[in-house]
Amino acid sequence: DGGITQSPKYLFRKEGQNVTLSCEQNLNHDAMYWYRQDPGQGLRLIYYSQIVNDFQKGDIAEGYSVSREKKESFPLTVTSAQKNPTAFYLCASSILTGNKNEQFFGPGTRLTVL
Amino acid sequence: GIQVEQSPPDLILQEGANSTLRCNFSDSVNNLQWFHQNPWGQLINLFYIPSGTKQNGRLSATTVATERYSLLYISSSQTTDSGVYFCAVDSRPYNTDKLIFGTGTRLQVFP
Repeated sequence: DGGITQSPKYLFRKEGQNVTLSCEQNLNHDAMYWYRQDPGQGLRLIYYSQIVNDFQKGDIAEGYSVSREKKESFPLTVTSAQKNPTAFYLCASSILTGNKNEQFFGPGTRLTVL
Repeated sequence: GIQVEQSPPDLILQEGANSTLRCNFSDSVNNLQWFHQNPWGQLINLFYIPSGTKQNGRLSATTVATERYSLLYISSSQTTDSGVYFCAVDSRPYNTDKLIFGTGTRLQVFP
């Protein structure tokens, strides 16, 4: 099955702990993205990567870190520096062809800080 | 940066009714997508439609790029259509890699 997988589905964290969210795709897509969604809101971009070993900050990168060591994987670490990490996190990927950037999303991870 | 506005913010329908959702954007775009977020949070791709008209079953979409808006039509609505509908665009003058999302239209369909 081709697609984007995220794990875990639910994650609980104590204040002061770093946690890593997994995102894997087998679509052979070039670009991968992390978004954050707060209740009743749209999505906001955290980080994105167009190519292995390279990534760029999005609009709300503070308190987060990423790596892109493999084309199919783009893990997100929520650090203790993120002041309000409780949210729904969505990973996406896309093929970049000319100006076309059609993104496809994984099922998401709900992070709750206790 | 580019602004994306969706209307109406909330919509309540009885099963079988038709509806039109609107997305206005403030600048020219390369990409425009419509998504349906189901009650479990999954974002489902409905249309990739930076211009023109497309149809998929009971759903269709039209983007008039020169006037900077897109419309999503839902005909004969069903309870499974409930959820939040998002429009997302990239910002051609700034960056083609970042999608900017509207705040969505929350649709509730009752039997």
